[in-house]
Amino acid sequence: ILNVEQSPQSLHVQEGDSTNFTCSFPSSNFYALHWYRWETAKSPEALFVMTLNGDEKKKGRISATLNTKEGYSYLYIKGSQPEDSATYLCAFKTGGLSFGAGTTVTVRA
Amino acid sequence: GAVVSQHPSRVICKSGTSVKIECRSLDFQATTMFWYRQFPKKSLMLMATSNEGSKATYEQGVEKDKFLINHASLTLSTLTVTSAHPEDSSFYICSTQGTSYNEQFFGPGTRLTVL
Repeated sequence: ILNVEQSPQSLHVQEGDSTNFTCSFPSSNFYALHWYRWETAKSPEALFVMTLNGDEKKKGRISATLNTKEGYSYLYIKGSQPEDSATYLCAFKTGGLSFGAGTTVTVRA
Repeated sequence: GAVVSQHPSRVICKSGTSVKIECRSLDFQATTMFWYRQFPKKSLMLMATSNEGSKATYEQGVEKDKFLINHASLTLSTLTVTSAHPEDSSFYICSTQGTSYNEQFFGPGTRLTVL
């Protein structure tokens, strides 16, 4: 079982503010890191698949960076909106995925 | 991405009975599917990798006789929880591997409650 950790476990953000949170993972035998957005009663939605050290990916107001040498990834949300409220999961690819416990983001209007 | 459905979305059963959960890939032929389980306030834990036409590969600590996986077609994998007990109550979710090794598309999950 691989140790994938996310912090913080939850956070509350005022609408319009930006925020970020982290995912740490084993730095050895890296293949890929996934980020998913998961709303209650829905399927987890793939946000990013990151494979290269120094990778930076962007999707609208959400972006992510990757440092495979030190084993961490950041996810950023710029100008948070209520629809950004969800649990954000990161996962380390090894055949199946080893998931972190998620960061639950609540955006207050 | 691929569309994945699960049925049922919720199930309540009595202790000792067996429950079957279906995972369907609606628009994609899924050679490989994955089954995960989520304990309360914990992350999704990979239970097994299911390959069409062959036996599933179970993760360490997962009882293969307890959690029977069948992947008889490219669009359907089933997970049967046999002789269910309250400790099997959990959220079970499946995913399919896409055309790329890095792609995985998830179903919406099944909430199992064993009384």
